[in-house]
Amino acid sequence: GAVVSQHPSWVICKSGTSVKIECRSLDFQATTMFWYRQFPKQSLMLMATSNEGSKATYEQGVEKDKFLINHASLTLSTLTVTSAHPEDSSFYICSARVATGGSQPQHFGDGTRLSIL
Amino acid sequence: GQNIDQPTEMTATEGAIVQINCTYQTSGFNGLFWYQQHAGEAPTFLSYNVLDGLEEKGRFSSFLSRSKGYSYLLLKELQMKDSASYLCAAMDSNYQLIWGAGTKLIIKP
Repeated sequence: GAVVSQHPSWVICKSGTSVKIECRSLDFQATTMFWYRQFPKQSLMLMATSNEGSKATYEQGVEKDKFLINHASLTLSTLTVTSAHPEDSSFYICSARVATGGSQPQHFGDGTRLSIL
Repeated sequence: GQNIDQPTEMTATEGAIVQINCTYQTSGFNGLFWYQQHAGEAPTFLSYNVLDGLEEKGRFSSFLSRSKGYSYLLLKELQMKDSASYLCAAMDSNYQLIWGAGTKLIIKP
């Protein structure tokens, strides 16, 4: 159980393109989903927390107009990188959690490797 | 401030035992998680501790001391496939995960 599907796995596109990444919880309802970015040989960096039906909470330094998050249902959250540039190239990973409290772990998708040319 | 400390890198021999330590300082505490992350892949959940003591799960065990703000992950009978980064994360009073930078574990034959 607790499977999270993330799509696409790889994206290579030109500078200025907008890219949408989907994160789905396949066998559970996720009230909260998280978006992370990870640069090579570095730790996970939380970008934003999204709760179903409400606006996402962005971490300090993350541009909300650049990284648009939509969590329209209990099983789907999307991250859109708008007008992507080479410095946005990174490994983007989503995770989902069943409840807002207690001992529920975050379950991760397989990640999306984004390369902007 | 909130902080997680774990060693950057450790090396161990196949078949041996290794202990990866983690110390944490958080605003409130709702448990300690360990994740495994192979290179180029997303993290996978290994264990959760919220009470003091040792939790055993096959070859992997995790220990917590709340009074000391300390946890460790114990890996027994090491296999080459255990080569990965191991991430320690503490959950604060707002149920947010505070992540450590990860410990890269290198297994040698």
